[in-house]
Amino acid sequence: DQQVKQNSPSLSVQEGRISILNCDYTNSMFDYFLWYKKYPAEGPTFLISISSIKDKNEDGRFTVFLNKSAKHLSLHIVPSQPGDSAVYFCAASALGGGADGLTFGKGTHLIIQP
Amino acid sequence: KAGVTQTPRYLIKTRGQQVTLSCSPISGHRSVSWYQQTPGQGLQFLFEYFSETQRNKGNFPGRFSGRQFSNSRSEMNVSTLELGDSALYLCASSPQYSSYNEQFFGPGTRLTVL
Repeated sequence: DQQVKQNSPSLSVQEGRISILNCDYTNSMFDYFLWYKKYPAEGPTFLISISSIKDKNEDGRFTVFLNKSAKHLSLHIVPSQPGDSAVYFCAASALGGGADGLTFGKGTHLIIQP
Repeated sequence: KAGVTQTPRYLIKTRGQQVTLSCSPISGHRSVSWYQQTPGQGLQFLFEYFSETQRNKGNFPGRFSGRQFSNSRSEMNVSTLELGDSALYLCASSPQYSSYNEQFFGPGTRLTVL
């Protein structure tokens, strides 16, 4: 039973355009959501997070949107740059519940084309 | 500051054997989490240790165990290895318990079970 789903295994976007990565979750106990970025042969690195009390969080070129009623979040990257090519993981936590650590999606491979 | 280090980086074992993986967190970090990454399942949470105590545990069989030492270094042990245990094992450290937005990952240990 996959509680965090990233339905697009890969996404190709032209440099300078907007990249939108999507994530759906099923567990209504999740109250904290994160995005991680992973390059080959490296561990994931934290990108941006959002608490369930917010519907938007912005950090430079990265914005995360949360739609609690739809149990959906998205990561927007504007403008997309070649260095953004990586695998992006969506993750969720039930901090209020204090158990089970982080639940990750399977990742979306973003390819930025010149 | 030095990053999270994991040893060994690569390991080959045969079915039935046991293996111990090591993780040294960033200096001053007291929480260490372990994850298993496979192509089919993505990143899955194994357990989290904080101040030498296991605080969270994922849905893995008892063959997977870990411990944390007083200097915050952590080891993960897998007994009676199975072919399906072949994976990238990632360790992540953070200053406090469940502070996932401050979590830093190591490069991982690639375990191959033959």
